[in-house]
Amino acid sequence: EAAVTQSPRNKVTVTGGNVTLSCRQTNSHNYMYWYRQDTGHGLRLIHYSYGAGNLQIGDVPDGYKATRTTQEDFFLLLELASPSQTSLYFCASSGGLGSSAETLYFGSGTRLTVL
Amino acid sequence: GDSVTQTEGQVALSEEDFLTIHCNYSASGYPTLFWYVQYPGEGPQLLFRASRDKEKGSSRGFEATYDKGTTSFHLRKASVQESDSAVYYCALSDPNSNNRIFFGDGTQLVVKP
Repeated sequence: EAAVTQSPRNKVTVTGGNVTLSCRQTNSHNYMYWYRQDTGHGLRLIHYSYGAGNLQIGDVPDGYKATRTTQEDFFLLLELASPSQTSLYFCASSGGLGSSAETLYFGSGTRLTVL
Repeated sequence: GDSVTQTEGQVALSEEDFLTIHCNYSASGYPTLFWYVQYPGEGPQLLFRASRDKEKGSSRGFEATYDKGTTSFHLRKASVQESDSAVYYCALSDPNSNNRIFFGDGTQLVVKP
C-alpha cells in the first residue's frame, strides 16, 4: 500500500514566521506534489517535483518555496508566513505518466494557521 | 489551458436517492480522467479512473463513463448511503502537460438518513 506521511498534523505560527512542512513517501514514486485546500477553491497546486533536486512551479507558488532533497522527501517552506496562507496542505506522490502510475496518493494533511 | 469544471458545489440528498455530479473537462491532449473522494479528516483517495473514450470506471457503486464527444465524466450512483457523505473531485491528467493533474473545485455530498 502506497504511503505518504506529512508532519506536523497541525501548526500555528504568527505573521512573519518561518514554517517548514514535511512530506515523506515510501512508494518509490518519482513525482511529488504540494497542494493547498481552501473552501470554494478545491485543491490548488503550489509546487511539484519529478525527482531529487527538481522543482516545478504550480498554480499558486507565491510566498512558497519547496525543496526535494531525496526521492522520498519533499518540503514546503513559508519564510514569511501571512494570514492568507492559513489553509489545509496536502502532499501527494505518483509514479508519473502511464497506466496506474498517474494515480495520486495523498497524505493526511497539515492544517496551518497563521495568526 | 487544461481545466475541469464541476457544476455542483454542494449536493444534499436523502438515503436511497440517485446521485449525479457533473464534470466537464478541457484538455489539449487525450487525458486520463479520475474521480477522487475525500472523507472528513483524510486526504483524497482514488475512486476510479478511465483512460479512453466510452470506458466506464466504477467502484463502490459509483460509476462514470468517459465521453470525448461531450468532454464529460459525470459521476452517478443509483442509491446513496449516509456513508457516502464526502467531497468528490473530478480530475484529469494530460500527457501534454508534464504529468500535472488538474482538479475541479470539488462537490460536497451530504446524505441525510
